[in-house]
Amino acid sequence: SQQGEEDPQALSIQEGENATMNCSYKTSINNLQWYRQNSGRGLVHLILIRSNEREKHSGRLRVTLDTSKKSSSLLITASRAADTASYFCATGYTGANSKLTFGKGITLSVRP
Amino acid sequence: DTAVSQTPKYLVTQMGNDKSIKCEQNLGHDTMYWYKQDSKKFLKIMFSYNNKELIINETVPNRFSPKSPDKAHLNLHINSLELGDSAVYFCASSQNGLAAGEQYFGPGTRLTVT
Repeated sequence: SQQGEEDPQALSIQEGENATMNCSYKTSINNLQWYRQNSGRGLVHLILIRSNEREKHSGRLRVTLDTSKKSSSLLITASRAADTASYFCATGYTGANSKLTFGKGITLSVRP
Repeated sequence: DTAVSQTPKYLVTQMGNDKSIKCEQNLGHDTMYWYKQDSKKFLKIMFSYNNKELIINETVPNRFSPKSPDKAHLNLHINSLELGDSAVYFCASSQNGLAAGEQYFGPGTRLTVT
């Protein structure tokens, strides 16, 4: 299965600290994406990194991808209480049966 | 100006009933999806349509039947509802599903079967 598995399952930090979340997967991918889900809401796309990229930045987000280790990390710097949410990695595979396969998610709590 | 909208937001019904969930996207995307999110937040794809054509049909009971009248709409009809169907159902869309790109999600429909 291409399914990503996030680590840790839950993370609690103080506002202002950095949060690092990891994702591992099993098969070759075309891209890896991170999504955020606030309680009771739909998922929101954060960032996409292609298989030929190693690092990408978007505001306070930094994503790395190591295809040799089949892993990715999402770093949120200077966290805020509003970052409290569930975060999902999704592995993307292009082609006739193209789809995203989501991991089980990480629950991030940022204490004010 | 909601990009992906779903109705209803909440659906409470009894076992054995038939119900439908509607989804519309105003992004001009070619591909639409239905996902099921269980109580542990595990998100699993059920179906995807590209330009009204079914391209992904995961191992979903045939009580679930998607219908895409046009590329902006993807509805989900569920027959003979069972307790295990209780979940949150998300509709999503993407510009070109074959490229496995960014997906835009609706707010979800929380289905409770009693």
